[in-house]
Parts: sequence; C-alpha cells; structure tokens
Amino acid sequence: GNSVTQMEGPVTLSEEAFLTINCTYTATGYPSLFWYVQYPGEGLQLLLKATKADDKGSNKGFEATYRKETTSFHLEKGSVQVSDSAVYFCALTPNQAGTALIFGKGTTLSVSS
Amino acid sequence: KAGVTQTPRYLIKTRGQQVTLSCSPISGHRSVSWYQQTPGQGLQFLFEYFSETQRNKGNFPGRFSGRQFSNSRSEMNVSTLELGDSALYLCASSAQGGRGADTQYFGPGTRLTVL
Repeated sequence: GNSVTQMEGPVTLSEEAFLTINCTYTATGYPSLFWYVQYPGEGLQLLLKATKADDKGSNKGFEATYRKETTSFHLEKGSVQVSDSAVYFCALTPNQAGTALIFGKGTTLSVSS
Repeated sequence: KAGVTQTPRYLIKTRGQQVTLSCSPISGHRSVSWYQQTPGQGLQFLFEYFSETQRNKGNFPGRFSGRQFSNSRSEMNVSTLELGDSALYLCASSAQGGRGADTQYFGPGTRLTVL
C-alpha cells in the first residue's frame, strides 16, 4: 500500500541553522509529493510540491527534490528563522483519480533565537 | 479570493450524540475532502466529494458520512459519537480533484471534543 515515513521529532535548532527533515515514501506508480506546514492553532498550508521524478519544489527558502531512485522527498532550508517553528508534514497522493492525501506523522520544528 | 471556511470552529458533544460539520470551499473549487487529525493516529483521510458524488473513501466506520451540495459546499456527519472521535476535522478543497497533482487547500478545522 501507499505510505509516508518521516523522521521523528522534535527537531530543535538555533536561528540560522541548516534544516533537513527526512521523508521517504512507498507507493505504486508515480505519486505526487507534498510538504505541508501547520502553525499552532491553524490548518495546513501547502509549503511545496513535486509531481514527477527529479522535480524540485521550493518556497520561502525551503526546497525538496523528488528522488524516485531512493523514494525520498527530504525537506531542506539553509537558514531557519524563529517564525519557521511549526509542524511539518510530508504527504503523497497516488497518481490516480481523486486527491486523497496520505500523510506522514509530522515533525515538530522548534527554532530558538 | 476567500479561503476554505469551516463552521463551527469548536464543538463540545457528549457520547451518543450526533454532529454535523460544514465546509465551504474556495470559490470555483469542485472537490472537497475531509480529514481527521488526532495525536495518536495523525492525519487520516475520511472521504472526498466531487460534483456531489463521493469519489473516494477512507477506512472509517459507517458512522462517518458526508455529502456535497450543488454549490460545492460540503457537510460531514458523525452519528453515535464516541470518545475516540475527539479530533480536529479538516476540510480541503481543490479545483478539479484530478489525478493527484491538484493542490488541496485546507481550512482552519473544527475542533470536536466528545465528553
């Protein structure tokens, strides 16, 4: 079946540190891959996405590359800010009709100044 | 353009009662999906509606149901509430609900507490 595994948190960093959150997936065919972010008390916001192998999604300094050979979609940012503190979810949708998102468990990021 | 709106934002119910949650998608969006978020199980897909038809369903008991109206607004209903139904219920809309790549935009959620 389809599934997403992401690294356990919490991740605690100092401001301006480099961030990596690992995400691997299991899926048949060619899924679309997403990173969503959830700030405290809010719903989910799309951070970035990639729809085919070797695509790189980017937004607000965050990047992730769709690696089919390693079934991975790791999230990176070169210099985190306190305002990046949130829960990050890796997700996929299978390449078929319908848009059911399958999420990882989420990784909590805490950035201190 | 207004985002996805969900009402109410907070609900407190007791076991055995039923509840109806409402979602208004982004204008022009035809697909509405519902998700349940709990600390233990994380985010789980409930169902998706497209053009008033349920197109996709997750692994939830029949107590969970939904519908979509001609204006794309959607409601979900949970009957015979259990303590384990306490969760944040998130609604998401997308333009076409196509082959997976369509971006889903989430509302702020309805926090349901079952006592």
